[in-house]
Amino acid sequence: DADVTQTPRNRITKTGKRIMLECSQTKGHDRMYWYRQDPGLGLQLIYYSFDVKDINKGEISDGYSVSRQAQAKFSLSLESAIPNQTALYFCATSVGDPNTGELFFGEGSRLTVL
Amino acid sequence: GENVEQHPSTLSVQEGDSAVIKCTYSDSASNYFPWYKQELGKRPQLIIDIRSNVGEKKDQRIAVTLNKTAKHFSLHITETQPEDSAVYFCAASHAGNMLTFGGGTRLMVKP
Repeated sequence: DADVTQTPRNRITKTGKRIMLECSQTKGHDRMYWYRQDPGLGLQLIYYSFDVKDINKGEISDGYSVSRQAQAKFSLSLESAIPNQTALYFCATSVGDPNTGELFFGEGSRLTVL
Repeated sequence: GENVEQHPSTLSVQEGDSAVIKCTYSDSASNYFPWYKQELGKRPQLIIDIRSNVGEKKDQRIAVTLNKTAKHFSLHITETQPEDSAVYFCAASHAGNMLTFGGGTRLMVKP
């Protein structure tokens, strides 16, 4: 089945370390997103990309960067991780605009920054 | 920008009872309102959505209602079952804008 895959699924790191979370998809969707989930805060958009040459900031982009290496790959980087970036991170894809249909989420990457 | 508030943050019901989760939004231009369900340890998945040209939509035991004037929408689950236990997220958006999610409701259905 076509899917959205995230690696790593779990990562523990120390303050100041550089971390990359990777997302790949076999759905053939052009649009890809990175979300952060914190208890009580729902899902907050970090960055999104509508095609390989398109990168856009979301609600909470500070401290994060992204790379869209190919239509199927979208990576999220934390250049210097800090404890308040401890969260569950989700990659997602969609066929069209988010207000026209479903977001398909990956399994999530749980990041702990000590 | 859009602000979506969701209540309650936790909801406990007895199996067979109904559950209602409410969301309010701030941007009157929003016209698309999806609901996502996230089971424990799993990814969020779309369960139902509604657009502003309709007031209610049903799919078996779940329904969503929309009041554009008051800028609120609700998820209704009837005859709840243990497998309905999950975190539910509402969201809102309009053309050209990204989805804004509510803070989530943890629903617990007690057998």
